[in-house]
Amino acid sequence: SAVISQKPSRDICQRGTSLTIQCQVDSQVTMMFWYRQQPGQSLTLIATANQGSEATYESGFVIDKFPISRPNLTFSTLTVSNMSPEDSSIYLCSVNSVGSPREQYFGPGTRLTVT
Amino acid sequence: RKEVEQDPGPFNVPEGATVAFNCTYSNSASQSFFWYRQDCRKEPKLLMSVYSSGNEDGRFTAQLNRASQYISLLIRDSKLSDSATYLCVVTGSSGSARQLTFGSGTQLTVLP
Repeated sequence: SAVISQKPSRDICQRGTSLTIQCQVDSQVTMMFWYRQQPGQSLTLIATANQGSEATYESGFVIDKFPISRPNLTFSTLTVSNMSPEDSSIYLCSVNSVGSPREQYFGPGTRLTVT
Repeated sequence: RKEVEQDPGPFNVPEGATVAFNCTYSNSASQSFFWYRQDCRKEPKLLMSVYSSGNEDGRFTAQLNRASQYISLLIRDSKLSDSATYLCVVTGSSGSARQLTFGSGTQLTVLP
């Protein structure tokens, strides 16, 4: 299994500002995933972060709004830029296991409230 | 139509009851199927994979019907600690983690 930590665990931010969320994994992984879980909703994939290349964004998410860094095989950051109240959500970092069946491991999440 | 649809819930059941959750998926080429459990204010964690032949893990039984594109989870002898939201998760045709689709979840509360 993978142990994933995220910082910060929660934050309250003003609209128009940006927040960078850090994700650290206890082992080297090829892909790291960033999800969003809005209140009362299920998880939606924002982007996939690969080390040494640009992140791959899912439909509805763009790099200018959610820039991602992946400097090495154990670490990634997601920035939520120019925040609005609609960005209030839980942001989760995730990796998957090697082998079959694939299990998805999640970090504890960052609970973001934008006022 | 949502790609993965689950029973709306919430389910409130007494301890010891048997409860079943259903899930349907729209992509007939989906490869892998899972049930995840998410406790309140916690991250989702894998409960069990779902295999075509059906599989059991203690009090939990998962079944898959590819023809009907339907997945179920049965919990027998419910415990208070089973209270959580249960997420149905389906992968796309490639089985890639990028193609994981999560259902909106079914909330279960087991009452003493």
